[in-house]
Amino acid sequence: EAQVTQNPRYLITVTGKKLTVTCSQNMNHEYMSWYRQDPGLGLRQIYYSMNVEVTDKGDVPEGYKVSRKEKRNFPLILESPSPNQTSLYFCASSFRGAREQFFGPGTRLTVL
Amino acid sequence: RKEVEQDPGPFNVPEGATVAFNCTYSNSASQSFFWYRQDCRKEPKLLMSVYSSGNEDGRFTAQLNRASQYISLLIRDSKLSDSATYLCVVNMGGNTPLVFGKGTRLSVIA
Repeated sequence: EAQVTQNPRYLITVTGKKLTVTCSQNMNHEYMSWYRQDPGLGLRQIYYSMNVEVTDKGDVPEGYKVSRKEKRNFPLILESPSPNQTSLYFCASSFRGAREQFFGPGTRLTVL
Repeated sequence: RKEVEQDPGPFNVPEGATVAFNCTYSNSASQSFFWYRQDCRKEPKLLMSVYSSGNEDGRFTAQLNRASQYISLLIRDSKLSDSATYLCVVNMGGNTPLVFGKGTRLSVIA
């Protein structure tokens, strides 16, 4: 089944404890992206990647890192999480220039 | 001015009603336009693309007005299952990222 998977789906952590949210797609998509969604603010792009080893900042990259060592994986790293990073995170992928992005099921992160 | 603006709603309508959402975009160079649907606590999914000539998919009709830089979505004969948030999405073309509006929430009531 073609899909984007994220892990974990739910995470409660404490300030300063490094964490990684994994994202994997099995559709051979070049383009992958991370968004966060907060009430009243909609979806905001954190980072995106056009292909392996190519990453770019989105609208809200501060406090996040990403890597794209393989085509299928695009992990989101929070080196020192803070409470303002409590949010719902979505990973998405598509073919480059495609009209449709496929989203993962979301990761709900709470930073205490 | 925000790139993509939508009325957040909520729109509360009875079953069977016709409801329309509008969305405006600021960048006149935008090339591609879409409506995505997002159910509560779920991921967004593509509902339909929006073409210059307007397009219809069952009870859903999408229109694009490039001169006024707005996009609309019309839902006829609303069903309870149409209750969701509808996201207006714009793209400048090429390899540029999609730009999402904040969404319009629709509740269809029995």
